[in-house]
Amino acid sequence: NAGVTQTPKFRVLKTGQSMTLLCAQDMNHEYMYWYRQDPGMGLRLIHYSVGEGTTAKGEVPDGYNVSRLKKQNFLLGLESAAPSQTSVYFCASSVGLNSYNEQFFGPGTRLTVL
Amino acid sequence: AQRVTQPEKLLSVFKGAPVELKCNYSYSGSPELFWYVQYSRQRLQLLLRHISRESIKGFTADLNKGETSFHLKKPFAQEEDSAMYYCALLTGGGNKLTFGTGTQLKVEL
Repeated sequence: NAGVTQTPKFRVLKTGQSMTLLCAQDMNHEYMYWYRQDPGMGLRLIHYSVGEGTTAKGEVPDGYNVSRLKKQNFLLGLESAAPSQTSVYFCASSVGLNSYNEQFFGPGTRLTVL
Repeated sequence: AQRVTQPEKLLSVFKGAPVELKCNYSYSGSPELFWYVQYSRQRLQLLLRHISRESIKGFTADLNKGETSFHLKKPFAQEEDSAMYYCALLTGGGNKLTFGTGTQLKVEL
């Protein structure tokens, strides 16, 4: 049981390049999330999904796209990377709407955009 | 709009001293609050949630609706408590969490 995994762990991009971050979970969770973590700003929600085939915008969605074609996977895409997207990206998942709502986090992806 | 405020970026205490990490929230609905912790080189994980009224690793947090606060407390800090702590508020009809900016706790010997 690997929990939440993220691929890749590190990546360096040049401005304008594109890439996709993959998040996978093996806990059969309905909800999945993408956050970015920046110094002094905490975790900010980029996009989230409440089930297979659904996505919704979070607090800072501009410059990112997501897809949830399979329940276990949640992809985050950067179509044209910018230096402002240099950050640590975390994926998380949770069972869904219940009184506990614990989110389980992946190990993070450190992205640098030059 | 919902908001979570953690006023201290860094809190430094000596081992054995009491710890209080502050968290204030702004939310029009009935709040559900959590504390998450990130130890060095580990992933973010849930520490405790207010509805459980639990004590985890000696930490407790009480929801004070009058003061809109959910401060995290521990009577005697240990070196292994050094970590980044995030307060979070359940929002969006229960779909998502709004996090504070985090407080780095450093426990010195």
